[in-house]
Amino acid sequence: AQSVTQPDIHITVSEGASLELRCNYSYGATPYLFWYVQSPGQGLQLLLKYFSGDTLVQGIKGFEAEFKRSQSSFNLRKPSVHWSDAAEYFCAVGQTHTGTASKLTFGTGTRLQVTL
Amino acid sequence: GAVVSQHPSRVICKSGTSVKIECRSLDFQATTMFWYRQFPKQSLMLMATSNEGSKATYEQGVEKDKFLINHASLTLSTLTVTSAHPEDSSFYICSAGGLAGGELFFGEGSRLTVL
Repeated sequence: AQSVTQPDIHITVSEGASLELRCNYSYGATPYLFWYVQSPGQGLQLLLKYFSGDTLVQGIKGFEAEFKRSQSSFNLRKPSVHWSDAAEYFCAVGQTHTGTASKLTFGTGTRLQVTL
Repeated sequence: GAVVSQHPSRVICKSGTSVKIECRSLDFQATTMFWYRQFPKQSLMLMATSNEGSKATYEQGVEKDKFLINHASLTLSTLTVTSAHPEDSSFYICSAGGLAGGELFFGEGSRLTVL
């Protein structure tokens, strides 16, 4: 069975500082990995995804993530955080990426707080 | 990106009543829709997968008679919480897929409060 672990429940960073959110996954085959962001009371917005190819993927809002198979990780990074980045971040693993829509398993989320 | 809309965004109902939540894909045909439930400050838990024109597939532990899912068209899926009780209070989110690349698009969510 697939699973996702986000070790950090809550992270606080200063505006302008760099950010790294950790994500580890467990999946028997080639994983299809996603990062989503959720603002309070809202749905989820896709930040980026990894299906294959270059292990460093670029997303929206200046985010990037690196897939490391040896470490079963897909950590999310941003060089300089903005106050508007404060939100809940979810890492997810999917079963497939072509044709059929992917059934996703989510991590427990990391709440990001940004101090001015 | 593609747009998925949920309605209502908030609903309050009395215990014992039924509530219907709609999930619409506005600009694409969603062959598959997923329904998730999210408790406060927790992750999303998949409830069921629905494919247009067929019965939904429920995850283990989800009562199919309690949470009725209908996916009658390629742009609309509905979740009906039957005989709702306070423990059904939660944030329900749908997602839809069907475009090339397998990406899912999420609705804004519906917050259900059962009194």
